[in-house]
Amino acid sequence: GENVEQHPSTLSVQEGDSAVIKCTYSDSASNYFPWYKQELGKRPQLIIDIRSNVGEKKDQRIAVTLNKTAKHFSLHITETQPEDSAVYFCAAHILSGNQFYFGTGTSLTVIP
Amino acid sequence: DAGVIQSPRHEVTEMGQEVTLRCKPISGHDYLFWYRQTMMRGLELLIYFNNNVPIDDSGMPEDRFSAKMPNASFSTLKIQPSEPRDSAVYFCASRRLAGLYNEQFFGPGTRLTVL
Repeated sequence: GENVEQHPSTLSVQEGDSAVIKCTYSDSASNYFPWYKQELGKRPQLIIDIRSNVGEKKDQRIAVTLNKTAKHFSLHITETQPEDSAVYFCAAHILSGNQFYFGTGTSLTVIP
Repeated sequence: DAGVIQSPRHEVTEMGQEVTLRCKPISGHDYLFWYRQTMMRGLELLIYFNNNVPIDDSGMPEDRFSAKMPNASFSTLKIQPSEPRDSAVYFCASRRLAGLYNEQFFGPGTRLTVL
């Protein structure tokens, strides 16, 4: 099956700085890569996703990039704010499969 | 739509007791997933169903765990007998198959504490 690795496991940034979280996947058949944000005590919620036919997608302060050749994708958060503090999970989905393969999560802390 | 509904939200029980977690997926969703989340192991997929049929239960840790989906609007995850190491947050999630790039929606989770 697919194997998704996520780094770093923890990340602290000053408010206003950028944060980058990186994930790699093993199966070249993966074609859909969602990112979930989980605030403390809450459920994971989708914040952005990217399909394999796209190299980059942006939504306000959040962007995701995908490098299919290298099999890695990244989440970029610019102008970070305290409310961005949460655990972020990347995931990969294989065209022929039915489940999402999740990374181990990154705990982001934005220091005011 | 109310989203994925889980009950109870919190459960505290004693070791050896039976625990039943419940989930109502979003109407029209073909897939239902059960996850367990702990600090040590992160988010683990336990089992998932397609059209009420269990497809992959390889993540179910032991025979003490069982899951059913008697109809499209209800699923249960049962632990019998429960052990302290089962303490975790259990999430149910659902997803619609039509279209390849569909979001998976999580329920609010059930926080289980086994004493």
